[in-house]
Amino acid sequence: DAGITQSPRYKITETGRQVTLMCHQTWSHSYMFWYRQDLGHGLRLIYYSAAADITDKGEVPDGYVVSRSKTENFPLTLESATRSQTSVYFCASSERRRDYRAFFGPGTRLTVL
Amino acid sequence: QQQVKQSPQSLIVQKGGISIINCAYENTAFDYFPWYQQFPGKGPALLIAIRPDVSEKKEGRFTISFNKSAKQFSLHIMDSQPGDSATYFCAASIPGYGNKLVFGAGTILRVKS
Repeated sequence: DAGITQSPRYKITETGRQVTLMCHQTWSHSYMFWYRQDLGHGLRLIYYSAAADITDKGEVPDGYVVSRSKTENFPLTLESATRSQTSVYFCASSERRRDYRAFFGPGTRLTVL
Repeated sequence: QQQVKQSPQSLIVQKGGISIINCAYENTAFDYFPWYQQFPGKGPALLIAIRPDVSEKKEGRFTISFNKSAKQFSLHIMDSQPGDSATYFCAASIPGYGNKLVFGAGTILRVKS
């Protein structure tokens, strides 16, 4: 099915472990983004990518690593998870055009114990 | 300067009433102002958007009012329905960064039947 998918949808991990959240889109959109959603903060941009092999930091990048070897995939890795990274993570994509419509995935709820 | 301030945090409206959510920004470089709607357990979805050269945009029961001089914009939901109960986010985008969005903190809307 076309669209943007995230996996896993739910994840519980322990402090210090490495965790990778997956994001896949079937539209061949140029831009992809990772946001985290926390109560009272809205959605904050972690990293974004303008194309394969082009990534840049957003507002809250510390503790996260991204890669984009293929246009359709944009994994987010927490190198050493901390409790403050407990959040809901959303991946999004958009096309390179004046209509800045971003399409969001269903989210991954991550709990770090 | 990158912030978008949103109010109120929560809102309760009677069925058939008007829901009003307000946002303010500082960065005059923002060139696109979307509103996203999010239902529980789902990713945000674009509801309506406006550019700063337009003072108002209406789509069905949803209207954005934009005041460029005051650097404020608002979402009006006319004839609010229980199905409109959701979290609403205003956002702003910087030109040249694809759809790199800065989000407000969100407003939880509950429409009472």
